[in-house]
Amino acid sequence: AQSVSQHNHHVILSEAASLELGCNYSYGGTVNLFWYVQYPGQHLQLLLKYFSGDPLVKGIKGFEAEFIKSKFSFNLRKPSVQWSDTAEYFCAVNNAGNMLTFGGGTRLMVKP
Amino acid sequence: DTAVSQTPKYLVTQMGNDKSIKCEQNLGHDTMYWYKQDSKKFLKIMFSYNNKELIINETVPNRFSPKSPDKAHLNLHINSLELGDSAVYFCASSIGSGGPYEQYFGPGTRLTVT
Repeated sequence: AQSVSQHNHHVILSEAASLELGCNYSYGGTVNLFWYVQYPGQHLQLLLKYFSGDPLVKGIKGFEAEFIKSKFSFNLRKPSVQWSDTAEYFCAVNNAGNMLTFGGGTRLMVKP
Repeated sequence: DTAVSQTPKYLVTQMGNDKSIKCEQNLGHDTMYWYKQDSKKFLKIMFSYNNKELIINETVPNRFSPKSPDKAHLNLHINSLELGDSAVYFCASSIGSGGPYEQYFGPGTRLTVT
């Protein structure tokens, strides 16, 4: 069974700091990769996704992620965070089936 | 325009009661899902329906019964509610199943069992 690990459970940054959130998955076949964000009290929204092609994908709000197949990783990055980026971030993976497996989430707090 | 909507947003009930949560999507998607998010924010899929047919049924108690009257609706009925059922339940939909399809999530229903 596939699994997804997000090693950083809580991250606290000051505004303008750079962000990198780790995501590793266990499935060895072809995968589709997603990052979702959940702002306080809101539903999950898609930040970005990778299906194929350029392993560096750009999403909304200045976020990007890099798929490194050899490391089974799909880390999320943002060069300069803002207070409004305070949220819970979820990495998710699915394979040929449609079951989306989520990581445990990373809670990001950005101090103004 | 709400893409995926759920009702109610909050549900407080006592142990042993039966309750339902409704979900509707106006995206024209073929596949709908129910997820449970526990108090630690861990998200786990419960059910998936494609064109009104059940395609994923993860290990959940049979007190939980999904019903899809048409492909735009997927309701969740819960019998004999228990304290451990307290969680946020999210409905989601995608254009298809078995492929790299983005899922769109509803606003969630916060269920509290007392």
